[in-house]
Amino acid sequence: DAGVIQSPRHEVTEMGQEVTLRCKPISGHNSLFWYRQTMMRGLELLIYFNNNVPIDDSGMPEDRFSAKMPNASFSTLKIQPSEPRDSAVYFCASSVPSYEQYFGPGTRLTVT
Amino acid sequence: KQEVTQIPAALSVPEGENLVLNCSFTDSAIYNLQWFRQDPGKGLTSLLLIQSSQREQTSGRLNASLDKSSGRSTLYIAASQPGDSATYLCAVLPFYGGATNKLIFGTGTLLAVQP
Repeated sequence: DAGVIQSPRHEVTEMGQEVTLRCKPISGHNSLFWYRQTMMRGLELLIYFNNNVPIDDSGMPEDRFSAKMPNASFSTLKIQPSEPRDSAVYFCASSVPSYEQYFGPGTRLTVT
Repeated sequence: KQEVTQIPAALSVPEGENLVLNCSFTDSAIYNLQWFRQDPGKGLTSLLLIQSSQREQTSGRLNASLDKSSGRSTLYIAASQPGDSATYLCAVLPFYGGATNKLIFGTGTLLAVQP
């Protein structure tokens, strides 16, 4: 298996633009997680899905953030409009529920 | 509220030394505990997973122990190598009486192994 796949790996955008991050989980994993990592705040869970259904989105910082999982093999995290403080590395991870989580390589987002 | 602490925040050792990284958690009601490694600019790599019913897990030069009653886990690295240099994170999966997936992460220990 190729592991968790994320795209793009790097994204540079201007404030106010829409940003869409993509994730393909490991086949057979029915839990998917979106995390954000910054130097100041460390690793934060934004939202997670079980069987394509959002279970806990309490970590989503604002209404500017939204996440979808239209099917078992694809998820998106969208920021609209983006702001400089959204600059961070965004990780997607997947797992079989309550077992090891496997992380993707991350998307480094820079908002200028 | 479950809190996870890792001490020390940073550690530097000479190559070949055996070392121990520490992880503490405040609530013993956990489903499992997972140790990760993160290299600079990279994602997290899962190293070991210990279920709540287990006391330890081993993989190569790594050995992780779990003492739920005292809220502690240790990651032992034998014969350290420069390639072990990375940030090590522990994370607990709290048990809320049902299936849950929300890992609680520690802040990590930055390990540098000097050649």
